[in-house]
Amino acid sequence: KQEVTQIPAALSVPEGENLVLNCSFTDSAIYNLQWFRQDPGKGLTSLLLIQSSQREQTSGRLNASLDKSSGRSTLYIAASQPGDSATYLCAVRPHTGGGNKLTFGTGTQLKVEL
Amino acid sequence: DVKVTQSSRYLVKRTGEKVFLECVQDMDHENMFWYRQDPGLGLRLIYFSYDVKMKEKGDIPEGYSVSREKKERFSLILESASTNQTSMYLCASSFGREKLFFGSGTQLSVL
Repeated sequence: KQEVTQIPAALSVPEGENLVLNCSFTDSAIYNLQWFRQDPGKGLTSLLLIQSSQREQTSGRLNASLDKSSGRSTLYIAASQPGDSATYLCAVRPHTGGGNKLTFGTGTQLKVEL
Repeated sequence: DVKVTQSSRYLVKRTGEKVFLECVQDMDHENMFWYRQDPGLGLRLIYFSYDVKMKEKGDIPEGYSVSREKKERFSLILESASTNQTSMYLCASSFGREKLFFGSGTQLSVL
C-alpha cells in the first residue's frame, strides 16, 4: 500500500528565505505527482504536476523535482513571502488500477514571517 | 481555468437527516471524486466516478452513497447523518490521469 510522508509537519521561516518542502513515497510505480496549496478552511489549489518521466517542473518562484527511484519529491520556494503561508500537500497518482486512487501526504504547514 | 463548484461552504445538519452535497465542474472531465479531510488523518477518498452512472468505492465508503446522472455533476449523499461524519468534504475532478482540480470545500457539522 502506498504511503506518502511529508516532513516536517510545520515550518516557520523569515520572509525572503528560500526553502524546500519534502515529500516521500514508498511505491515508485507512480503515474505522476502533484503539489497543492491549501489555505485554512479552503479547498486545495494545484501548484505543479510532474509526470513520472519528468525530473522537474517550474512555475514562477516554485520548482518541483521528482526522483522516482528514491521515492522523493521536493518543492522549492524561492524568496518566500508572507502570502506563501499555507499548508502544502503532495499527492501521488498510481500507475495501476485506473490511476484514480491517489494517495495524499498530510502536509507541511508553512508560516512565512515578516 | 477549471472551475469546480460545491454548492455549500457550510452546512449544519441533525443526526439522522439525509444530506446531499453537490458538486459541479465545467470542463467536461470524466473523473470526479469525493474526499473528506480530517485533522491528523489527511484526505481520504470516499467515492469516485469515471463516467456518467459509473462509480467506485474509495477507502471509506461506509455511510455514503453517490450519484452521477450528468457528466458535470457528482453528488454525495449521507443517508442518515451521524456525528462522526462531521468533516470538511472536498470534491475534485480530472481529465484522465491529469491534474486534479478541487472545489472550495463544504464544512459539514452534524449535531
